Amino acid sequence: KNQVEQSPQSLIILEGKNCTLQCNYTVSPFSNLRWYKQDTGRGPVSLTIMTFSENTKSNGRYTATLDADTKQSSLHITASQLSDSASYICVVTPNMEYGNKLVFGAGTILRVKS
Amino acid sequence: DTAVSQTPKYLVTQMGNDKSIKCEQNLGHDTMYWYKQDSKKFLKIMFSYNNKELIINETVPNRFSPKSPDKAHLNLHINSLELGDSAVYFCASSQVNLGEQYFGPGTRLTVT
Repeated sequence: KNQVEQSPQSLIILEGKNCTLQCNYTVSPFSNLRWYKQDTGRGPVSLTIMTFSENTKSNGRYTATLDADTKQSSLHITASQLSDSASYICVVTPNMEYGNKLVFGAGTILRVKS
Repeated sequence: DTAVSQTPKYLVTQMGNDKSIKCEQNLGHDTMYWYKQDSKKFLKIMFSYNNKELIINETVPNRFSPKSPDKAHLNLHINSLELGDSAVYFCASSQVNLGEQYFGPGTRLTVT
């Protein structure tokens, strides 16, 4: 079982609507949690990075939340646009003494329709 | 200016051949990585180098050999290519090990 689980696997929404993507993790202790956006045919691009002590971080229409007690994070997209169609990947960085590589989720594929 | 660049973007080759993928970063970062993304879009770390020294070498066939001639470059050489090597390979870099990573555009390798 992967240490970072994302849901849903895929999602289709209408342009202008909001959506929330989920990330549950078991990596502990960890130093930060990241959300990446990967457009088709391109490399992942960082959206947000939250340390274990942060609860929320925004980047434009993207807002990430983190609950370290329940080991859950979410990425909320407001007023979706066609350009939001992409894969969204949750990544957890373990504390150095517990691992030396990032732990990736499998991603949620979002498609925004007009 | 492209921060992390990879060449080639597409590579189609036959089984048994040897090929190389090049990666360069102009961000002044100390750490570079190679990832493999399979058809299910799952990113898997293959190697990471910090200041030209290998720090992660995952369970990857020894047909794959990374080479870092300097901090700004990390190349990936693959010997005796197999069908299962078909994937998209991403190079990335970060200021420090496990720091915020900047990814290249990827190299789509197709082995026929």
